[in-house]
Amino acid sequence: EDQVTQSPEALRLQEGESSSLNCSYTVSGLRGLFWYRQDPGKGPEFLFTLYSAGEEKEKERLKATLTKKESFLHITAPKPEDSATYLCAVYSGGYQKVTFGTGTKLQVIP
Amino acid sequence: NAGVTQTPKFQVLKTGQSMTLQCAQDMNHEYMSWYRQDPGMGLRLIHYSVGAGITDQGEVPNGYNVSRSTTEDFPLRLLSAAPSQTSVYFCASGNPGETQYFGPGTRLLVL
Repeated sequence: EDQVTQSPEALRLQEGESSSLNCSYTVSGLRGLFWYRQDPGKGPEFLFTLYSAGEEKEKERLKATLTKKESFLHITAPKPEDSATYLCAVYSGGYQKVTFGTGTKLQVIP
Repeated sequence: NAGVTQTPKFQVLKTGQSMTLQCAQDMNHEYMSWYRQDPGMGLRLIHYSVGAGITDQGEVPNGYNVSRSTTEDFPLRLLSAAPSQTSVYFCASGNPGETQYFGPGTRLLVL
């Protein structure tokens, strides 16, 4: 059974204080790893897809990396508007094989 | 281009009542799905559809029914609501192996 574990559950940062969120996964043949951002009261918003170990993708202050066992979402010099819950999901093929983690709730204090 | 829309935004039901959660997309995606999100748990797949007239069960299908008569619409029916179905429901459009676009959600409270 595919499993996704995100840590920490919650993270509080000062504005400008860089950090990383972790997504550890166990999957029977990774076909893709996804990062989503979810604001309170809204649906998840797609950020990145990573397909193979060693792959990296960037968007503004966010950078996602992938190894064979985990993915990191690095946040450089965060701003208050980066406050949200960040979800990780893995896809192992087939229509039903998307497994979501429980998310990391990030709060950036001005 | 509205993306994925869901109605209602919020609903209160009594145990045993039935209702339909509406979902529509304007991106011409064949694949659509329904998830529920509960505190401390990841999004869980309820039902999905790979095209008009084709639906299948996900991880937690019991108590829910779906149909897909058009590419745009994918309604979710609660047959006889139970308190365990209190949750936030998200409709998504797009292939799970690529990019999925989520709607804003329906918050359901079953008393």
